[in-house]
This record gives sequence, structure tokens and C-alpha cells, in this order.
Amino acid sequence: DGGITQSPKYLFRKEGQNVTLSCEQNLNHDAMYWYRQDPGQGLRLIYYSQIVNDFQKGDIAEGYSVSREKKESFPLTVTSAQKNPTAFYLCASGPSADGSQPQHFGDGTRLSIL
Amino acid sequence: AQSVTQLGSHVSVSEGALVLLRCNYSSSVPPYLFWYVQYPNQGLQLLLKYTTGATLVKGINGFEAEFKKSETSFHLTKPSAHMSDAAEYFCAVSSYNQGGKLIFGQGTELSVKP
Repeated sequence: DGGITQSPKYLFRKEGQNVTLSCEQNLNHDAMYWYRQDPGQGLRLIYYSQIVNDFQKGDIAEGYSVSREKKESFPLTVTSAQKNPTAFYLCASGPSADGSQPQHFGDGTRLSIL
Repeated sequence: AQSVTQLGSHVSVSEGALVLLRCNYSSSVPPYLFWYVQYPNQGLQLLLKYTTGATLVKGINGFEAEFKKSETSFHLTKPSAHMSDAAEYFCAVSSYNQGGKLIFGQGTELSVKP
């Protein structure tokens, strides 16, 4: 089945540690997105990529980094500079950058601080 | 800039009653509008979308929404609530000039009482 796979489902970070969240899609979508979800705040865009080897900052990019070396993969690194990383992280992909097609979401990674 | 406001962070209905979840948007260009549903610890699933054409849009699980340009609204309705409808619902907006990015509302948690 086509879809988006996020791993791990749960992740714990120690102080001063960088952690990487995996996102893989087999939908052949050009665009991929990372969102952060906090209770009562909806989803906020961290980074997005419309094509391989290119990505743009979203609304809350500080303390995060991404790469897009393959069409299928868009990993997110939560760096030690992100002082409040506890949240639910959702990866999504979309077939086009014109906004008319819905995004497809993975099942998320819940990140907590040890 | 685009924005979405969902009126009511929590809505409670009895099983069999009408479900009405409110969404108002702001957009300087013709919007694309989406409703997503999220069950606990899962990703988002598309319920329905409006891009162009018919303003009354039917989605999955008996949900529908009506695009009203004059009221800048896209409210979600279901004639008869079922226990399985209990979840969080997100309204989102995009447009042709946003690079595929979605702007989400804060979400509405729907509870269904037996």
C-alpha cells in the first residue's frame, strides 16, 4: 500500500542531544512537509520541500534542520538549540505545489525530554 | 496572508444529533479548503476538500461542508453523530500561490455522548 511511514513512533531526547525523525513516502509525491503539533495550537509548519535537494523554512524552523537527498525521504533533525522540543511531529506529502491537492499524513512521532 | 479560525475548541453532542463544526477563513485569493480528522496518536485523514465548482462538498463517513464565499466560511456538518465520530477535527486553507502549504485552524475536539 502507498503511504507515509514515520519512525520511531516514540522518541526521547536527553539535554544537549540532537535527534532525527524519519519520514519515508512511496506515493511518488514531489512535495514533503514537517509539522509540529501542540495541544490547542493546531499544526505549525517547520520545513517543507517541493523538490529534491531544495527546502524552505516554515513558520517555526528555529532549532530544526532537514535534508532532501531523495524524493522518498525527508528526515527532520531536532537540534539541541530547540529548547522546547516536546511535541507530536507529523510528516506529510503532496502531489503538487499548487495547493489544490490534499496532503497525506504519516502517523506521527511523539518526542519527549528525558 | 491566509488564516483559519475554528470556533469552539470543544464541541459535545449526543449520539444521533446534528454535528456542526465551524470554520472561517481569510484569504486574498480564491482558497482551497480542507477538513481533516485526527484520532488519538494518529496522523490526519482527509474528510473532504473544496477547490472549485460545487459549493456543497460531500466527504467520507457522512460528513459534508458548504463553501460560502460571502461569509468566508466552510462549516462541517453531519446529520446524525455516531460514537465513532469522536475525534479532533481540523480545517485548513491553501491557494495556488502558497507552494502547497496548508494553514491549519486550532482544531475542534468533538465528543459524542451515548
